[in-house]
Amino acid sequence: TQLLEQSPQFLSIQEGENLTVYCNSSSVFSSLQWYRQEPGEGPVLLVTVVTGGEVKKLKRLTFQFGDARKDSSLHITAAQPGDTGLYLCAGSRTGFKTIFGAGTRLFVKA
Amino acid sequence: GAGVSQSPSNKVTEKGKDVELRCDPISGHTALYWYRQSLGQGLEFLIYFQGNSAPDKSGLPSDRFSAERTGGSVSTLTIQRTQQEDSAVYLCASSLRGGQGNGYTFGSGTRLTVV
Repeated sequence: TQLLEQSPQFLSIQEGENLTVYCNSSSVFSSLQWYRQEPGEGPVLLVTVVTGGEVKKLKRLTFQFGDARKDSSLHITAAQPGDTGLYLCAGSRTGFKTIFGAGTRLFVKA
Repeated sequence: GAGVSQSPSNKVTEKGKDVELRCDPISGHTALYWYRQSLGQGLEFLIYFQGNSAPDKSGLPSDRFSAERTGGSVSTLTIQRTQQEDSAVYLCASSLRGGQGNGYTFGSGTRLTVV
């Protein structure tokens, strides 16, 4: 059974702080995606990483794919209240359905 | 359309009744997916369509659940004889092609409440 484990499950921080959330698996993925979901909405794709060791930046968000393509991290610098939401990682393997982690719920206090 | 459209956005139904949930994917997207999200949880895969065919329906929880897609576009997820444990947000997503891991575009979901 493929599993994607995310940690922490819940994170409450002050505006301006930095944070990192993790996504781990024992399976190798051909690509991994990060999504953010706000209440009452569907998940919105933030980034796709495909190469082991790849780092992608999206403004204050930095995404890294592990060298072995089994894990990933999302680092947010100087978090803002607008970053509040549920962050989901999803792993894809050719010929298999994409699986999602349970998510990290982030709350950034002003 | 510009995005994935789902209807209704909310549905309250009595236990034992049948419900139909609709998904309009992005025009030209050949792959369509249904997921279910329970309160505070991640996404549970239900079924995947490539065109009008469903090569993977392994996530459907029971034979009360069925789905179809017509014209390579609109999809309907039907739940028969609803049970309280069916209460969840049902999310539809589409992508240009299936199996490529390029990420999905999701609709806003249908919140189903079975009372």
